[in-house]
Amino acid sequence: EVQLVESGGGLVQPGGSLRLSCAGSGFRFSSYWMHWVRQVPGKGLVWVSRTDTDGSSTTYVDSVKGRFTISRDNAKNTLYLEMNSLRAEDTAVYYCAREYVLLIGANRYYHGMDVWGQGTTVTVSS
Amino acid sequence: EIVLTQSPGTLSLSPGERATLSCRASQSVSSRYLAWYQQKPGQAPRLLIYGASSRTSGIPDRFSGSGSGTDFTLTISRLEPEDFAVYYCQQYGSSPRTFGQGTKVEI
Repeated sequence: EVQLVESGGGLVQPGGSLRLSCAGSGFRFSSYWMHWVRQVPGKGLVWVSRTDTDGSSTTYVDSVKGRFTISRDNAKNTLYLEMNSLRAEDTAVYYCAREYVLLIGANRYYHGMDVWGQGTTVTVSS
Repeated sequence: EIVLTQSPGTLSLSPGERATLSCRASQSVSSRYLAWYQQKPGQAPRLLIYGASSRTSGIPDRFSGSGSGTDFTLTISRLEPEDFAVYYCQQYGSSPRTFGQGTKVEI
């Protein structure tokens, strides 16, 4: 069964740090781009970050740049999100998701995020 | 940043009816890189449509997507009870990838 399972969420004080993990199974983890998306309960989805297949290329939404770091360990089939200098507005459910990106020459062809984890909750509060 | 605006915010329909959801982008979406996701309470989003009109494996053919440029539509031809949920569009042709605010389809 193709599956993504997040862990590492919890309660942290403002200014604190947390590392989220996302374990993939049932598919070739190293062949997929990986994303983090967050959602405040009752609100909409916000894309946070993504990494390519080997972690050499990463991008972030402006609100987390310089504070969050996405990384992956393909040997462990695991994606990470290191979150520092946490703020109350970072409180959300964090989902990881995979995306197949086809490379043909210098061109990339994206396919959307087709498998998602169940989410892990991060609460930033004193 | 591309801003996606979905309308209506809420769609009140009955099973068997047709649902038409709109997603308008603040600028042209590259290569029709527009996806639609369905989310039910307490669940993760599920990818329905990618590339504006391609259905993901396992998605019933009552779901269809269309559009290009700045205007996109998700159509559910005949609503089933399990289709009542929140639907989000997302553009993934430019960074940052952005989502619309969602359309709730309710009974």
